[in-house]
Amino acid sequence: AQTVTQSQPEMSVQEAETVTLSCTYDTSESDYYLFWYKQPPSRQMILVIRQEAYKQQNATENRFSVNFQKAAKSFSLKISDSQLGDAAMYFCACLNTNAGKSTFGDGTTLTVKP
Amino acid sequence: DAGVIQSPRHEVTEMGQEVTLRCKPISGHNSLFWYRQTMMRGLELLIYFNNNVPIDDSGMPEDRFSAKMPNASFSTLKIQPSEPRDSAVYFCASSHDLQGQYNEQFFGPGTRLTVL
Repeated sequence: AQTVTQSQPEMSVQEAETVTLSCTYDTSESDYYLFWYKQPPSRQMILVIRQEAYKQQNATENRFSVNFQKAAKSFSLKISDSQLGDAAMYFCACLNTNAGKSTFGDGTTLTVKP
Repeated sequence: DAGVIQSPRHEVTEMGQEVTLRCKPISGHNSLFWYRQTMMRGLELLIYFNNNVPIDDSGMPEDRFSAKMPNASFSTLKIQPSEPRDSAVYFCASSHDLQGQYNEQFFGPGTRLTVL
């Protein structure tokens, strides 16, 4: 069974500052992907970034980057130069690429202060 | 592409009534997922299909819930009879998978269901 744990129910950051959201996971699978999704008040789930477990290089997407520590089963999201539009709930997810099932964490609500 | 389309966006019904939620996946995607999101239980996978075939329905809470995918461009999730505890946001998601290798899922806007 897969588990995904987000230990920070809420986080806040000052506009233009950097914030890191934590995620740990557990899986017995060798083939898996990790994702961060953003859910703003509109409740649309938006894919922010993805990381293939077989890749050592950390994924980056503009202001978003991850710190993937495979041995520690850690997958944190760093948001640089935070913007008001980054305010949302962020979900970490682990996808078993062979079985197709994704497991989601409970989410972290990010507040961005002007 | 229009993305994943769900209808209705909001549904208010009375206990005991039948509810049908609809989903049109992204064209070309061959896997479809139904999720339920509540404050108490978070995001739960209910069922998913691959090439229109149900693969895993272990998340379907009760026999009152059923899902179908008659073709590659349409799926329904039905609740009959509905109960107040079914109130939640229901998401549909789709993905394009190759040779048994699943990829990231793209979500629809969700249907907010309220059962009175």
